[in-house]
Amino acid sequence: QKEVEQNSGPLSVPEGAIASLNCTYSDRGSQSFFWYRQYSGKSPELIMSIYSNGDKEDGRFTAQLNKASQYVSLLIRDSQPSDSATYLCAVKSSNSGYALNFGKGTSLLVTP
Amino acid sequence: GAVVSQHPSWVICKSGTSVKIECRSLDFQATTMFWYRQFPKQSLMLMATSNEGSKATYEQGVEKDKFLINHASLTLSTLTVTSAHPEDSSFYICSIPQAGAFFGQGTRLTVV
Repeated sequence: QKEVEQNSGPLSVPEGAIASLNCTYSDRGSQSFFWYRQYSGKSPELIMSIYSNGDKEDGRFTAQLNKASQYVSLLIRDSQPSDSATYLCAVKSSNSGYALNFGKGTSLLVTP
Repeated sequence: GAVVSQHPSWVICKSGTSVKIECRSLDFQATTMFWYRQFPKQSLMLMATSNEGSKATYEQGVEKDKFLINHASLTLSTLTVTSAHPEDSSFYICSIPQAGAFFGQGTRLTVV
């Protein structure tokens, strides 16, 4: 079973702080990695994608990938209350077609 | 604007009836679409891969005779939940594989 693991949280951070979200995956053949944000009752929206080892920055978001450790993370700088949501880590494997394998998500709460 | 349009956004039906959910790709020709299901506080679980002009591929444990998928054109896939039961109540989401994944708005199905 190919698994994607996330701490369910909730992760609570004060406004303006850095939120750090982590994800591990079991399939070493995984090639593409995604972070989605999902508000309650809504469908996921793509925040970041990352394909190679290292860091990728986009505005307040930084994705980090370490394939040797099978670990991917998302940092949110200057966290805002509007960032409060569930963050889903998703992995695409080489032999899964184009379907994504999702973690259960980490609930983030940014307190004013 | 939306890349994938899903309809309806919510539906309530009586046990034993059937419900059809439509998923339209607005900007891409989608030979493949995915159908996911999400129970409360759970992750998105892939149900099936919809293939234009051919049979859908179902994930293990998903009844193909209960969840009928039709992908008659490059822009439209439909999921019909037949003889719905309360345990089918869930959030159903479709997606297309381009650029990670673009998701529809989701359909909240409640079977009473």
